[in-house]
Amino acid sequence: DSGVTQTPKHLITATGQRVTLRCSPRSGDLSVYWYQQSLDQGLQFLIQYYNGEERAKGNILERFSAQQFPDLHSELNLSSLELGDSALYFCASSVESTAQSYEQYFGPGTRLTVT
Amino acid sequence: AQSVTQPDIHITVSEGASLELRCNYSYGATPYLFWYVQSPGQGLQLLLKYFSGDTLVQGIKGFEAEFKRSQSSFNLRKPSVHWSDAAEYFCAVAASDSWGKLQFGAGTQVVVTP
Repeated sequence: DSGVTQTPKHLITATGQRVTLRCSPRSGDLSVYWYQQSLDQGLQFLIQYYNGEERAKGNILERFSAQQFPDLHSELNLSSLELGDSALYFCASSVESTAQSYEQYFGPGTRLTVT
Repeated sequence: AQSVTQPDIHITVSEGASLELRCNYSYGATPYLFWYVQSPGQGLQLLLKYFSGDTLVQGIKGFEAEFKRSQSSFNLRKPSVHWSDAAEYFCAVAASDSWGKLQFGAGTQVVVTP
């Protein structure tokens, strides 16, 4: 158990819909990362937040957005869903200090199925 | 362009045999290097990491990896595999100025036979 929690574990929804994935980082971690794992794209970095502020952006679609709240939990919002958005979405967290910030701890993931 | 390559998509190894998983990267400067393992239905677990210093790093579960700058490689090894080592293994790289953004290889699926 990494200490990172993600809810829900599974999500099935229809095309065009909007969903919210939730992540609680490890106690003491200020940084949250979101990754998408799909069969065709592999594991891709989406976005990073540090203490409530966006720090880095990767291959995140405009239909996707995220935020980190004052209690440090984070939400990833996916809208206008398409079949191709079906994937496993991981959240990771890390302590924010020099090299240690690169040691990320991953949650169990949310499996999203778009039908 | 920056890239991370795991040349072997799938490896089958007998229990008790040694295992080596390859990882090559293409980055402007020496990046930070990681190996993660993903068991079926699980998240990713960090096995080991290299930031600087000794090029042979020890990790959890009896794994080790060697950084070779001249070959831009960071190969993972285990002297004797156990059935519980069956999983998917990912090499990941972060540029030193990337705020921790990880770039992952495609992964290597390891199957352990009796």
